[in-house]
Amino acid sequence: QQPVQSPQAVILREGEDAVINCSSSKALYSVHWYRQKHGEAPVFLMILLKGGEQKGHDKISASFNEKKQQSSLYLTASQLSYSGTYFCGTGSSGGSNYKLTFGKGTLLTVNP
Amino acid sequence: DSGVTQTPKHLITATGQRVTLRCSPRSGDLSVYWYQQSLDQGLQFLIQYYNGEERAKGNILERFSAQQFPDLHSELNLSSLELGDSALYFCASSPGNEKLFFGSGTQLSVL
Repeated sequence: QQPVQSPQAVILREGEDAVINCSSSKALYSVHWYRQKHGEAPVFLMILLKGGEQKGHDKISASFNEKKQQSSLYLTASQLSYSGTYFCGTGSSGGSNYKLTFGKGTLLTVNP
Repeated sequence: DSGVTQTPKHLITATGQRVTLRCSPRSGDLSVYWYQQSLDQGLQFLIQYYNGEERAKGNILERFSAQQFPDLHSELNLSSLELGDSALYFCASSPGNEKLFFGSGTQLSVL
């Protein structure tokens, strides 16, 4: 089942912060986050495995609450280069049988 | 460059036709995933192969089929094409269950 992302779109000014949420009705093994710029392929940002860990990548970090089956992506002090569509992907099992299902995406626009 | 190669980049065909999309994964990656991307549905998971075997299936239509060959490249076959099949089709590869590396996609237009 497709995870639900919110908000669907967000507009920021450079330097502002944003949070993108991802929730699933199924038990999760892992959560992936990807960013896709217009006309390009999605690019991996980070992966979080069950255990409630939080990861960071420059000024972008994420958390994964296994019990709530939710993940959030935090973008701080946004830059123009952060603009794009952010997708969360949820994996429901480990091993080589791995179905990674993506949400519909959140369009982030960062203006000067 | 992700290291994943998809051909062709663009494909224009007519309804009722059959096409084949090709994907060469990154060297050493055993998993290949196929996704369909349309404006209103985001990235829809179609199917996953691992070392030549089908391992997970998503919302793939019966008119669609795929396979992964011994050299690990994969093909997605779409037949009896309909207007609604027009979309961007991505292939991604992964060494296992880690991050996916996406190819640049094949833009399919069914007229």
